[in-house]
Amino acid sequence: QQQVKQSPQSLIVQKGGISIINCAYENTAFDYFPWYQQFPGKGPALLIAIRPDVSEKKEGRFTISFNKSAKQFSLHIMDSQPGDSATYFCAAINQYQLIWGAGTKLIIKP
Amino acid sequence: EAGVTQSPTHLIKTRGQQATLRCSPISGHTSVYWYQQALGLGLQFLLWYDEGEERNRGNFPPRFSGRQFPNYSSELNVNALELEDSALYLCASSPIRGAKNIQYFGAGTRLSVL
Repeated sequence: QQQVKQSPQSLIVQKGGISIINCAYENTAFDYFPWYQQFPGKGPALLIAIRPDVSEKKEGRFTISFNKSAKQFSLHIMDSQPGDSATYFCAAINQYQLIWGAGTKLIIKP
Repeated sequence: EAGVTQSPTHLIKTRGQQATLRCSPISGHTSVYWYQQALGLGLQFLLWYDEGEERNRGNFPPRFSGRQFPNYSSELNVNALELEDSALYLCASSPIRGAKNIQYFGAGTRLSVL
């Protein structure tokens, strides 16, 4: 069964620090890699996404780094803020399926 | 533009009862997905409907079922409720099959089984 392995399961970062969440996939046929952010009691919301022909994509304080040869991608949150405290899910998509990572609970300490 | 809407927001049932959850996708979206999210855990895929047909099903017993209506809205039915069915049930929609399959989520229905 195809998987997307996400780590760490939980992460505590001081305010102003850099939060890094990693994902690794197995199927080279995936062609789109989104990250979702979920606050307690809410549904996940699309945060940022990247295609495999790009090594990095930045939107504000959020950056996706993509390593095609290693089949790995990561989310970096710069200058992390308490409002970034949420659960983050990575995913891998092709035309027919979307495979989810298990999620990372991020806590930003003030 | 309205997002994915789910109703009810909260639902309280007792063991053995049936629950019906409803979802209206974003206008123009034909695919609807259902997920179960137990407290603090990840997204467990339940069902995928597209153009009124069930396209895929997760590893859940048959008492979890659903349907998609001609207007692309969807219902999730859970029969013979068990205590462990207590969870947040999320609905997502995406544009026509064959597109990038990005999913847009509703706020969920919190089901509590007593």
